[in-house]
Amino acid sequence: QSVLSQAPSASGTPGQRVIISCSGSSSNIGRNYVYWYQQFPGTAPKLLIYRNNERPSGVPDRFSGSKSGTSASLAISGPRSEDEADYYCASWDDSLRGPVFGGGTNLIVL
Amino acid sequence: EVQLVESGGGLAQPGGSLRLSCAASGFTFSSYDMHWVRQATGRGLEWVSSVGIAGDTYYPGSVKGRFTVSRDNARNSFYLQMNSLRAADTAIYYCARTSYGDYAYFDYWGQGILVTVSS
Repeated sequence: QSVLSQAPSASGTPGQRVIISCSGSSSNIGRNYVYWYQQFPGTAPKLLIYRNNERPSGVPDRFSGSKSGTSASLAISGPRSEDEADYYCASWDDSLRGPVFGGGTNLIVL
Repeated sequence: EVQLVESGGGLAQPGGSLRLSCAASGFTFSSYDMHWVRQATGRGLEWVSSVGIAGDTYYPGSVKGRFTVSRDNARNSFYLQMNSLRAADTAIYYCARTSYGDYAYFDYWGQGILVTVSS
C-alpha cells in the first residue's frame, strides 16, 4: 500500500481537462512540496512538476499542478495520445523520514 | 548532459547478495544527494535508500539492516549492497539524483536495472 493515494486510472478526450488527484496527510503533502512524475512503459520516470506547480524546461504548459491542504492535483488540459502514461505523485514524509510515492494513475486518452 | 547508468543487476538466490552500481556524469557528483528507487513489475515506485552529500545514509524499514548505500566521489559513483535478499526485493532498481536538498525532487533518473531474487 502506497503512503499517498491515487486512483488507478483516469481518462479523458482531447477536448477535456483531466484531473489526477493525490491524497496524503499532514506529515507529507500537508507540510512539504509535491512532485509529479510521468512514466511510459519500459522507461524510467521523468520529472513533470516540481514544488507543487512548477514545470521543468520542456514540459508542455498543458500540464499544471496544484496543492491544497493534504491533497494535490495534476491537471492535463487537452490531453494528447502521447500523454498516455502512468503518473506518480511524491512528497517528503516527516514521520517516515523519507520520500513517499502514490501508487500511480494510468492516463487513457479516449 | 546528466547521465546515470546502473550496473550489477541480475539473478540472486533468496538469502543471497548483489551489489548495484550507478555511474554518474555531466554534473558535479559530490554536490548532490543520490538515491535508489525500485519498482516491482506492475507496481508503483518505492524509495530504497539515500546517500547525502556528506555520506549520511537513510533507508526505509523494508530494507534497513539488509541494504547498504555508499558513494565514491572520486569515481563519480554510488552503490547499493543488497544482502539477505528476498523474493519481495525483485524489481527494477533506478538510481536517481535529487536537488535543493529535497529528497522527493528526483530531477534525473537512470534507465533502471532488473534484480530478480529466485531459487
